[in-house]
Amino acid sequence: DIQMTQSPSSLSASVGDKVTITCRASQSIVAYVNWYQQKPGTPPKLLIHSAASLQSGVPSRFSGSGSGTDFTLTISSLQPEDVATYYCQQSYSTPITFGQGTRLEIK
Amino acid sequence: EVQLVESGGGLVQPGGSLRLSCAASGFPFSGYYMHWVRQVSEKGLVWVSRIDPDGSTTAYADSVKGRFTISRDNAKNTVYLQMNNLRADDTAVYHCVGGRDYWGQGTLVTVSS
Repeated sequence: DIQMTQSPSSLSASVGDKVTITCRASQSIVAYVNWYQQKPGTPPKLLIHSAASLQSGVPSRFSGSGSGTDFTLTISSLQPEDVATYYCQQSYSTPITFGQGTRLEIK
Repeated sequence: EVQLVESGGGLVQPGGSLRLSCAASGFPFSGYYMHWVRQVSEKGLVWVSRIDPDGSTTAYADSVKGRFTISRDNAKNTVYLQMNNLRADDTAVYHCVGGRDYWGQGTLVTVSS
């Protein structure tokens, strides 16, 4: 199984800050990474697919990068509505696996 | 508008069975891989199973292999998860997912005596 190691597990930042979340795969997954945002009481929402492609309707302050084993989700200027838990997911092979999640709070 | 509506969850005793259903609308269901993903409270996401668009190929997490069966009816735009021999650690909210894009709100499965 491919393990997805996500860090940090929690993060506190100020409005306007640049925020970076990383995910490392246990083997190369090319660019088969998706990033999701989940707010309490709601299902996950797709932000980024194929490592770097912004999902339609998602604000441009969100971006993704990486290939092979190392991937990054970046929020260029943190907004209050970005408070949520973020997950990476590999879809390279089954079993599909998720990172452990990053809980993002406003300082 | 895309909708995925899960049903069939509930309280069941260990060793019991449940059948989850997910009714989809607003996207070309018959062209999509469909998944079930579960989540315990506000904890992490765990992929359970996947079925390909025509239903010919399925995949399962090791933890449910041999106990759960995924199926679909493209005429009814519905995907199913038959869950047998349920265990306490199967307790979770089960989400139906279309491709990578579309998630249902989930249905709660509680396995307890």
